[in-house]
Amino acid sequence: GQQLNQSPQSMFIQEGEDVSMNCTSSSIFNTWLWYKQDPGEGPVLLIALYKAGELTSNGRLTAQFGITRKDSFLNISASIPSDVGIYFCAGPPLGYGGSQGNLIFGKGTKLSVKP
Amino acid sequence: EAGVTQSPTHLIKTRGQQATLRCSPISGHTSVYWYQQALGLGLQFLLWYDEGEERNRGNFPPRFSGRQFPNYSSELNVNALELEDSALYLCASRTGRATDTQYFGPGTRLTVL
Repeated sequence: GQQLNQSPQSMFIQEGEDVSMNCTSSSIFNTWLWYKQDPGEGPVLLIALYKAGELTSNGRLTAQFGITRKDSFLNISASIPSDVGIYFCAGPPLGYGGSQGNLIFGKGTKLSVKP
Repeated sequence: EAGVTQSPTHLIKTRGQQATLRCSPISGHTSVYWYQQALGLGLQFLLWYDEGEERNRGNFPPRFSGRQFPNYSSELNVNALELEDSALYLCASRTGRATDTQYFGPGTRLTVL
């Protein structure tokens, strides 16, 4: 089945640094979603992308829908302590249900603060 | 507007028992999705309900089942619990609009001893 490969698995940030993470798949997706999960909570949607090549921003967050429809990138500029958490890429698999069906998730990128 | 709510917050069971988890979607949302998040893993899709019917299920054994009630709330049942069923179970809801996305609840932490 379709899978999402997310990297890096984890990274340490220092306040003020820019952060980049990406998600790739061997098959195409028609929608890319980026979620953030804080400890003890459910994932919260950050950005949704619906068109190949689309670049969308949400405050300090910017995400891009890859032109091949097989990848997506999330950038966080000037990171702050509350950016710490786990970031997931996700998308609806092709086939039954389309964009209204279930989602496939990457394994997540864990952002921690540099000691 | 209230978000997706789940109960209980935590649930401790022993192997072989049954667990029932509950989810109330956001008002106006007709679809409910269940996901399992085991430690260190991403979210794995379990079940999708829409308008009271099961629309799709993930690669899980039949002892994972559920239903959606007329008020669109849902419950997930896990029979014959196994140790590896210990996980955070997340419920999400959405409207029927094509461009809407899923909104998640805080989850139920199930521990199987």
